[in-house]
Amino acid sequence: AQTVTQSQPEMSVQEAETVTLSCTYDTSESDYYLFWYKQPPSRQMILVIRQEAYKQQNATENRFSVNFQKAAKSFSLKISDSQLGDAAMYFCAYTRAGANSKLTFGKGITLSVRP
Amino acid sequence: DAGVTQSPTHLIKTRGQQVTLRCSPKSGHDTVSWYQQALGQGPQFIFQYYEEEERQRGNFPDRFSGHQFPNYSSELNVNALLLGDSALYLCASSHRDRGYGANVLTFGAGSRLTVL
Repeated sequence: AQTVTQSQPEMSVQEAETVTLSCTYDTSESDYYLFWYKQPPSRQMILVIRQEAYKQQNATENRFSVNFQKAAKSFSLKISDSQLGDAAMYFCAYTRAGANSKLTFGKGITLSVRP
Repeated sequence: DAGVTQSPTHLIKTRGQQVTLRCSPKSGHDTVSWYQQALGQGPQFIFQYYEEEERQRGNFPDRFSGHQFPNYSSELNVNALLLGDSALYLCASSHRDRGYGANVLTFGAGSRLTVL
C-alpha cells in the first residue's frame, strides 16, 4: 500500500522569506504523480503544484517549486517570497498513474506566516 | 463558472441517525470522489462514482454508500452514525482520464458533520 508521510506538524516563516515543507512517500509503482495541496481556513483544497514521476525536471509554479528525489522517495515544496496569504495547511498527496485520481494524502502541515 | 458545490455546509446529528450529503461537480466534470477528513488529519478516500456506478472504494464500512445521478451530481449517505464519523466530508470532481495519466481534482468546501 502507498503511504505519504509529513513529519513536521507545524512550520513558521517570516513574510518575504523562503520555507521548505517536507514529504516522503512509499510506493512500489514506477509511474505515479505527486501533488501539493493548500487548504486555507475556508476548507477548500487548492492544487498548488503537480509532479509527474517520469519527469526528472522539478515542477515550478511562480513562487512554488518542488525538489523531487525519486530514488529517495522525497517530494518537498519550496515557497519563495512568502506572503501572508500562504498561511494554510499544506498536504502532500500521491496517486499512481491510471488510478483516476484516488489520492493518498499525508497528515498535513500547518504553515504560519509572520508579518 | 461554478466550481464544486456541497450542501449542507454544517450539520449536527446524533448517534444512530442517518445523514445525506450532496455534491454538484464542476461544469464539464463527470467523475465524483468523496473524501473524509478527520480533524487534524489528511483526507481519506471513501469512494468514486462515474457513469452512475461506484468505481473505486477505500477502506470504509458498508454504512457509507453513495449515488450518482444522470446530471453527474452525487450523494453520500452514512447510516447508523458513530461519534467517529464526525469529520469534514469533501467532494471532488474531475473528468475521467481515459489514458494513463492522472486528472486533477477540483474540491468543494466540504460538509462539516458533527455526531453527538
